[in-house]
Amino acid sequence: DAKTTQPTSMDCAEGRAANLPCNHSTISGNEYVYWYRQIHSQGPQYIIHGLKNNETNEMASLIITEDRKSSTLILPHATLRDTAVYYCIVRVPYNNNDMRFGAGTRLTVKP
Amino acid sequence: EAQVTQNPRYLITVTGKKLTVTCSQNMNHEYMSWYRQDPGLGLRQIYYSMNVEVTDKGDVPEGYKVSRKEKRNFPLILESPSPNQTSLYFCASSFATGGLYGYTFGSGTRLTVV
Repeated sequence: DAKTTQPTSMDCAEGRAANLPCNHSTISGNEYVYWYRQIHSQGPQYIIHGLKNNETNEMASLIITEDRKSSTLILPHATLRDTAVYYCIVRVPYNNNDMRFGAGTRLTVKP
Repeated sequence: EAQVTQNPRYLITVTGKKLTVTCSQNMNHEYMSWYRQDPGLGLRQIYYSMNVEVTDKGDVPEGYKVSRKEKRNFPLILESPSPNQTSLYFCASSFATGGLYGYTFGSGTRLTVV
């Protein structure tokens, strides 16, 4: 599975958009980009995934660059409850190898 | 409600006393997995199961056992716990190996071995 690089931490003002970047320059053609988050020692929570097209759901938007070497998770109107560690993972679905969680980005939403 | 249920949420035990952490899911998922999380080391996979009676080692399987006799249950067994197994444990499940649907995680079990 391709490795990912994320900033260690980020801050965001409440009500503003939070843009979390992820670099995955060695991603292969059949690997998807997944995002999870973990709120203070709770179980990680799936947010969104994508292959090459931009994706949006009720939680967030995922923007993947055309060359697929990087992506950005966007929380359009961050709230205090979005304070969490966000993990970007790239992997091939249905692969016997499991997901590997890196260190992630600690997002702090401030009032 | 679709969920992964772990029990207990908190457990303090003594070295060498066998214990089992249970994990159950109600989503008919084929795939289940156990992780441990330690400060500075992130989430590391212990064991996983592709389906009933099919289990395999993850990255840190030493000191742990698992079984998958039913699709919904995937208990984690510590035959002789040691202090270095003090950690926060998570169970997860999904259709196939995560596939296109992502994993559902339990709320965690905080284990302390003294």
